[in-house]
Amino acid sequence: GESVGLHLPTLSVQEGDNSIINCAYSNSASDYFIWYKQESGKGPQFIIDIRSNMDKRQGQRVTVLLNKTVKHLSLQIAATQPGDSAVYFCAEIPGKVIFGPGTSLSVIP
Amino acid sequence: SAVISQKPSRDICQRGTSLTIQCQVDSQVTMMFWYRQQPGQSLTLIATANQGSEATYESGFVIDKFPISRPNLTFSTLTVSNMSPEDSSIYLCSVEVAGRGPAPYFGPGTRLTVT
Repeated sequence: GESVGLHLPTLSVQEGDNSIINCAYSNSASDYFIWYKQESGKGPQFIIDIRSNMDKRQGQRVTVLLNKTVKHLSLQIAATQPGDSAVYFCAEIPGKVIFGPGTSLSVIP
Repeated sequence: SAVISQKPSRDICQRGTSLTIQCQVDSQVTMMFWYRQQPGQSLTLIATANQGSEATYESGFVIDKFPISRPNLTFSTLTVSNMSPEDSSIYLCSVEVAGRGPAPYFGPGTRLTVT
C-alpha cells in the first residue's frame, strides 16, 4: 500500500510579505549551518550558510540568524514571491550533515 | 559549483528486484554521498562513497542492501537490492566541492516506487 509520510509544518504568507522560517538544532558541537530550498520534484538547493562564529549573515533577499544560546536558526525571506514556495530544510554539521524536519512555505498570490 | 546528474530520474520497480542509480558529476569532487528521502520527510544519509574502496555506511544501512561503487572522482552508483515497498523514496546523490565549504550540493534525485 501507499506509505504516509509525516506532515511537514506549513507556513503560509502573502506575496510581498516577509517570511521567517525557524529551526531548532540539536548538537551544541555544530559549527556550521545551512539552509536548503527544495522545490517539488527537485533536489535540495543550497541557499545560504553560516558559521558558528557569526550570528547573522545576509544574502540576496535572505538573512540567516543564529542564536547559539538557545540552539536556534532562522531564515528570513524578504518580499516573498510565488517562486519561493517550497520546502525549506535547515542542516547542521557537527562533523557530518544532519538535516532538520523541513518547513513547507506556501506563498499566496 | 558542480553540476550533478542522476539516472534514472524515476522508476517503478517490482518487489524483489534491484535497481542501480547512477550519479555523474561534471568536475572532480572531494566527497560523494548518497541520501534517502522518504515521502514527506527529511533527508537521511545512507553512506559516503569512497573512491576505490568500500563505502562508509550510516547506522541502519548495510552494504548488502545498498551496495555502492565509486570507481573514480566523478562517478558513483547506488544499488537498492531486493526491493520492498518500504524502499519507495527519493534517492539523492550529493557532493562536497573543494573550496566551497562543507555544505553538500545535491543532484536532482531518483524517485523510486516499489510495487
